[in-house]
Amino acid sequence: KAGVTQTPRYLIKTRGQQVTLSCSPISGHRSVSWYQQTPGQGLQFLFEYFSETQRNKGNFPGRFSGRQFSNSRSEMNVSTLELGDSALYLCASSSDRGRREKLFFGSGTQLSVL
Amino acid sequence: QQQVKQSPQSLIVQKGGISIINCAYENTAFDYFPWYQQFPGKGPALLIAIRPDVSEKKEGRFTISFNKSAKQFSLHIMDSQPGDSATYFCAASGTSGSRLTFGEGTQLTVNP
Repeated sequence: KAGVTQTPRYLIKTRGQQVTLSCSPISGHRSVSWYQQTPGQGLQFLFEYFSETQRNKGNFPGRFSGRQFSNSRSEMNVSTLELGDSALYLCASSSDRGRREKLFFGSGTQLSVL
Repeated sequence: QQQVKQSPQSLIVQKGGISIINCAYENTAFDYFPWYQQFPGKGPALLIAIRPDVSEKKEGRFTISFNKSAKQFSLHIMDSQPGDSATYFCAASGTSGSRLTFGEGTQLTVNP
């Protein structure tokens, strides 16, 4: 069974631009969560989607948004990029909403904002 | 309070030694406490987890000790191996879906 797939693996953008990151969950998994990882702030929860609906949201500005498609694939978007948005963005999937015991992470998308 | 405090920030042990990482939490609504292991270039992977109704859980060389009254829990890695060199994160979760609150991470180096 393939794991959680995130694309692209690396991304370089400039301030003010917007970016879209993609996540394909493990086959059969319906819940997708996103996390931001930085050296200073560690791992921080962004949001969780289940059945195409956002179920939970972390403390991030509205520039951070996401969506989930009917095939459970998810995208997150960051608009008007700032230097502080440089981070590793991790996607995690689980079979059901709230199945925190079975949370599988992808390898992430490394975003650099110049 | 949603924070989880983790220490030490970095840890160096000799092969065969015991690695101990500590975490403390404030939110009494947390009821699930996992530990994740992360290698460079990879996402975190679940190592072991515990619920507050038990004081200890052991899986192979990895043991979680949990002190509910002190709101603390720790990871013990027995017979540490160079392959254990990675960053370890403690985390905590309540009932709000799969949202995890992570500690700051501990970079473990096991010297051969």
